[in-house]
Amino acid sequence: DSGVTQTPKHLITATGQRVTLRCSPRSGDLSVYWYQQSLDQGLQFLIQYYNGEERAKGNILERFSAQQFPDLHSELNLSSLELGDSALYFCASSTGTSGAFSDEQFFGPGTRLTVL
Amino acid sequence: AQSVSQHNHHVILSEAASLELGCNYSYGGTVNLFWYVQYPGQHLQLLLKYFSGDPLVKGIKGFEAEFIKSKFSFNLRKPSVQWSDTAEYFCALRYSSASKIIFGSGTRLSIRP
Repeated sequence: DSGVTQTPKHLITATGQRVTLRCSPRSGDLSVYWYQQSLDQGLQFLIQYYNGEERAKGNILERFSAQQFPDLHSELNLSSLELGDSALYFCASSTGTSGAFSDEQFFGPGTRLTVL
Repeated sequence: AQSVSQHNHHVILSEAASLELGCNYSYGGTVNLFWYVQYPGQHLQLLLKYFSGDPLVKGIKGFEAEFIKSKFSFNLRKPSVQWSDTAEYFCALRYSSASKIIFGSGTRLSIRP
């Protein structure tokens, strides 16, 4: 158990819908990262938040957005869902006080999203 | 564009065999390199990382990797694999001028008991 929690574990929804994925980092970790893992795209970094502010952006679509709240939990919002958005969405957290990307990241169990 | 290549998609070995998984990257500048492992049904775990210094990096569970700058490679090795090493292995790159990390496509390792 990495100490990073994600809810829900599974999510099944229809095309065009909007969903919110939630991530709670390890206690004391200031950085939260979101990743998408799919069969055709592999494992891709989406976005990083550090202490409430966006720190780095990866291959995140405009239909997707994220935020980190004062209690440091983060939410990833996916809208206008398409079949190709079906994937495993991982969250990770790190303890780095500087928010440097090279800090070791601890991954959550993921949320499996299925878009029908 | 910066990329990470793992040419072995699926490797099958017997227990006690030696392992080497290839990882090559394309970026001419300073890099941070990582190997992650994902056991079946579990989340990603960091095996080892290279930032600077000794190019031979030792990780957890008996794994090591060697950074060879001239070959743009960061191959993962283990002298004697166990059945419990069955997992998917991902090489990843961060170039220090940026924050984002790039993952390779992964190598699935199957160990025959």
